Order: sequence, then structure tokens, then C-alpha cells
Amino acid sequence: GAVVSQHPSWVICKSGTSVKIECRSLDFQATTMFWYRQFPKQSLMLMATSNEGSKATYEQGVEKDKFLINHASLTLSTLTVTSAHPEDSSFYICSANVARDVSKNIQYFGAGTRLSVL
Amino acid sequence: GENVEQHPSTLSVQEGDSAVIKCTYSDSASNYFPWYKQELGKGPQLIIDIRSNVGEKKDQRIAVTLNKTAKHFSLHITETQPEDSAVYFCAASIGQAGTALIFGKGTTLSVSS
Repeated sequence: GAVVSQHPSWVICKSGTSVKIECRSLDFQATTMFWYRQFPKQSLMLMATSNEGSKATYEQGVEKDKFLINHASLTLSTLTVTSAHPEDSSFYICSANVARDVSKNIQYFGAGTRLSVL
Repeated sequence: GENVEQHPSTLSVQEGDSAVIKCTYSDSASNYFPWYKQELGKGPQLIIDIRSNVGEKKDQRIAVTLNKTAKHFSLHITETQPEDSAVYFCAASIGQAGTALIFGKGTTLSVSS
């Protein structure tokens, strides 16, 4: 149980285009989903926290107009990198809380999406 | 806000030896401490977690200890195997769903046979 699916696993795009990454909880409902960014050999940096049906909360320094987050249902959140540039190239990872146990903060992670912007 | 320090950054052991990774945290309100294993090109996998109401938790070859007074917690892996080689991250948070995990910088564990 507690599987988080993330697609695509790898995407290459041209500079200036937009890329959408999907994060799905397959066998549970997620109250909250989180989006992280990870540079090579570095730790996970939280970008934003996403709750179903409400606007995402972005961390300081993360441009909300560039990284659009939509959390339309309890099983799906999407991250769209708009007008991507080479500096946006990174490993993007989502995680999800299990809705049935709000007293716990167990987060399950997707496999990540490697974005390469040419 | 919370700050998590993790040591060492790299750790090399021989197969069968034990490995210990240590983390300290700054926010006394934190009460949930998970450990994740991340293999190259993959997302982090939860391997064990501990809450502040217990001092130790064990799952086969993996154990985690917590010293709430000193604000530090450790991951212990016994009888290491080559497949234990990965990057390990500790994290801390207030243990309520919807709150962010604050991660340490990670430890690259290499187990040689």
C-alpha cells in the first residue's frame, strides 16, 4: 500500500516551453501533497505544500507563477514548470500524506521526475 | 524554524559491519523523525520512523534511537549488505499531517563486499 506514482520519470524540453508533472496516490487518498526539488548530490528542498481544493503554499524564494501547482482531487496533484529555462533543470519529487490518519505525518514519495531543459 | 544537521556526509563500511548515521534538530516542538533511503535516480523510500514518545524502534537490521533532551536521533544498520549502499536522509517535523518535513543533507553509505 501507500504507492505514489509520478509521471513522467524523465522529460527533455526546449527552453521556453512548459512541462507538466503529475503526482498520483494510487491506493490511498492524500490530504496534502508536497513538491520538492533536488539538485545532484544535495538534499530535498521543499518548494510548496498543496492541499486538495485550495491554493498551494509556496516556500520563500519559489516563484508561484513559474511553478504552478494544481491539486484537483485527493489523489492527484500537478506541477507545471512554465517557460522553462536551463536553470530549472533538476530532479522534482512529490510526496503525499495519507488522508485517513491526519494525526501522523507519514509521507510517501514518488519516484521523481528528471527535467532537462535545453 | 527547524534545522536538521546530519553526519557524516559519507560513510564507507565493509559488508557485515554496522553503520551509524546521526542527526540533530533544533526545534523542540518536532516530534516525528523519519529516515529515508534514496537510490540513484529514484525517490526517497521510508525505511523507519520514530515519534518522540519512544526512545528506540527496531525493524530487523535497522534501528533508530531518539534522545529528545539532547535533540538528536540516530540510524543504526547492522550486518550491512552491498544493497544497503544508498543515500540516507533524516528528517524532522511536527507529527501532524500537512506539515513539512525538514531534511538533513544526506549521508552516502557505501558497503563494500
